[in-house]
Amino acid sequence: GENVEQHPSTLSVQEGDSAVIKCTYSDSASNYFPWYKQELGKRPQLIIDIRSNVGEKKDQRIAVTLNKTAKHFSLHITETQPEDSAVYFCAPKPDSNYQLIWGAGTKLIIKP
Amino acid sequence: DTEVTQTPKHLVMGMTNKKSLKCEQHMGHRAMYWYKQKAKKPPELMFVYSYEKLSINESVPSRFSPECPNSSLLNLHLHALQPEDSALYLCASSQGDGSYEQYFGPGTRLTVT
Repeated sequence: GENVEQHPSTLSVQEGDSAVIKCTYSDSASNYFPWYKQELGKRPQLIIDIRSNVGEKKDQRIAVTLNKTAKHFSLHITETQPEDSAVYFCAPKPDSNYQLIWGAGTKLIIKP
Repeated sequence: DTEVTQTPKHLVMGMTNKKSLKCEQHMGHRAMYWYKQKAKKPPELMFVYSYEKLSINESVPSRFSPECPNSSLLNLHLHALQPEDSALYLCASSQGDGSYEQYFGPGTRLTVT
């Protein structure tokens, strides 16, 4: 089955700086690569996703890049703001069914 | 309507009680999910319904019993739970037609005493 590793587990950056979180997966048939943001006490919220036929996708300050050969994808947040503080999860989807395989999460802390 | 709703928001129950969690979506999604989430952990898939049929049961104990009365509703019936079942229970839905985006409800915070 799919094995997912997410790094780092905690990331602390100065407000205004960039943050990068990496997710490595094992199933080469995975075809969908989302990132979810979960604020304390709230629901996971899909913030960006990418399909296997695309290498990069950007939405304002957030971008996702995919390297299918190396089997990893990354979340990039530029010009970080206090409201970016949250736990971020990657959840690649194997081709076989609807199931997402969740990473362990990265706690992002934005220092003022 | 682009929202998944869940009731109740909070639930405290004893180990001998029977209760139900409810989830509703009106986005026309045909796949619905139950997840369990413990503090500082990712969501853990419990059940998947696809076109109102149970398609995935992740070896969940029988004290949890899902039900999908129609394409908009999903229930989770609880009976004889244990204190370790205390968690945030999240419902999610997706289109189920090759679109994979899952949208989550706000969750039910369950405490078993």
